[in-house]
Amino acid sequence: EIVLTQSPGTLSLSPGDRATLSCRASQSVSSQSVSNYLAWYQQKPGQAPRLLIHGAGSRATGIPDRISGSGSGTDFTLTISRLEPEDFAVYYCQQYGSSPPTFGHGTKVEIK
Amino acid sequence: EVQLVESGGGVVRPGGSLRLSCAASGFRFDDYGMTWVRQAPGKGLEWVSGVNWSGGSTAYADSVKGRFTISRDNVKNSMHLQMNSLRAEDTALYYCTRNSRLGELSPLDYWGQGTLVTVSS
Repeated sequence: EIVLTQSPGTLSLSPGDRATLSCRASQSVSSQSVSNYLAWYQQKPGQAPRLLIHGAGSRATGIPDRISGSGSGTDFTLTISRLEPEDFAVYYCQQYGSSPPTFGHGTKVEIK
Repeated sequence: EVQLVESGGGVVRPGGSLRLSCAASGFRFDDYGMTWVRQAPGKGLEWVSGVNWSGGSTAYADSVKGRFTISRDNVKNSMHLQMNSLRAEDTALYYCTRNSRLGELSPLDYWGQGTLVTVSS
């Protein structure tokens, strides 16, 4: 199975800062048709996760444009351009191109 | 409005069985794959099992293969997870999720609130 490694484990930032989260796959999660089978989710305490990004770079419905995803192959990035108070949470990447789908262990974005 | 409501969780002894259910509403159920994801207390997300739109294709994590069985009922708009030979490490909050497409290999665009399974003697 594909292993996803997220870094850093914890990111301590202030509101208004830029957040850059990394997700590295043990093998490519992209296809020859240039599809990237990588999603990002946000989870706040006591809540279910929420889909933010799919296809590595496409925002899900209702996701603000300060949140963006990029990357291909084995290296992916989630960027939050200016952190709002509601962005402090845990973020997970997931690959869904190869069975079984797998999640990374998460990056916690906390208030500095 | 899409709604996914899980039920069937509880406390069970090691080696026991439980059947989880997910009632779906607010969308055409047989247009989407469905997936179970679990989260152990204080831990990250673990993909457990997925089923395509028709029930004809299923997939399992290695950790549950041979012990868990996923199924769906497109008439009753429901999904189930039969869990046998339960172990302490199966203790988790189990989320019912909707795949964004027909197949079980696609992003998870809606999540229920979860049902808690505790395996303990």
